[in-house]
Amino acid sequence: KQEVTQIPAALSVPEGENLVLNCSFTDSAIYNLQWFRQDPGKGLTSLLLIQSSQREQTSGRLNASLDKSSGRSTLYIAASQPGDSATYLCAVRWNSGGSNYKLTFGKGTLLTVNP
Amino acid sequence: EPEVTQTPSHQVTQMGQEVILRCVPISNHLYFYWYRQILGQKVEFLVSFYNNEISEKSEIFDDQFSVERPDGSNFTLKIRSTKLEDSAMYFCASSARQDYNSPLHFGNGTRLTVT
Repeated sequence: KQEVTQIPAALSVPEGENLVLNCSFTDSAIYNLQWFRQDPGKGLTSLLLIQSSQREQTSGRLNASLDKSSGRSTLYIAASQPGDSATYLCAVRWNSGGSNYKLTFGKGTLLTVNP
Repeated sequence: EPEVTQTPSHQVTQMGQEVILRCVPISNHLYFYWYRQILGQKVEFLVSFYNNEISEKSEIFDDQFSVERPDGSNFTLKIRSTKLEDSAMYFCASSARQDYNSPLHFGNGTRLTVT
């Protein structure tokens, strides 16, 4: 079964710290992997998308890496700020089994950045 | 920046009633999706829609659910006879035409409460 797991479930850090969020997935035959941010009661904001042929993507203070062979992705946040506090979701689109359209989500990591 | 809009933001309905959730995808996108998130659980795929037909649906998307693109801008999800377990946040999403590596853009969701 194709599943996505995120560790840790929650993380609390002081402002200014660099941090890493982890995502692991079964089945390395992915099409792409997308990181989202979800604020309480709100929708999902796309942060970064990594294609299966890429190793990493960067946007501002965010850097996402992808290692298909080990079934892992990490989201690195540099110099964290209280405004980064949110739930971060990892989602995978697989290209096997005829499913080219759906994303499978992890449960997310709840990040709290303390001033 | 263009965005996906969903209405209403919150809908309360009685068990057994029909509900229609509405979405306006980004205007130049042709792939449309519905996802849902039961409180405290993962975001789950319901259905994808392209070229006026369902491309893929999950086991959750049973005969009680239907989708429609009634005009050039709206995309709707109908639940014919709501159950208590349909209570969830429902997210609409869209992605760009013929580009599977385009990120999905999500709306802010409709919180459906079935009493």
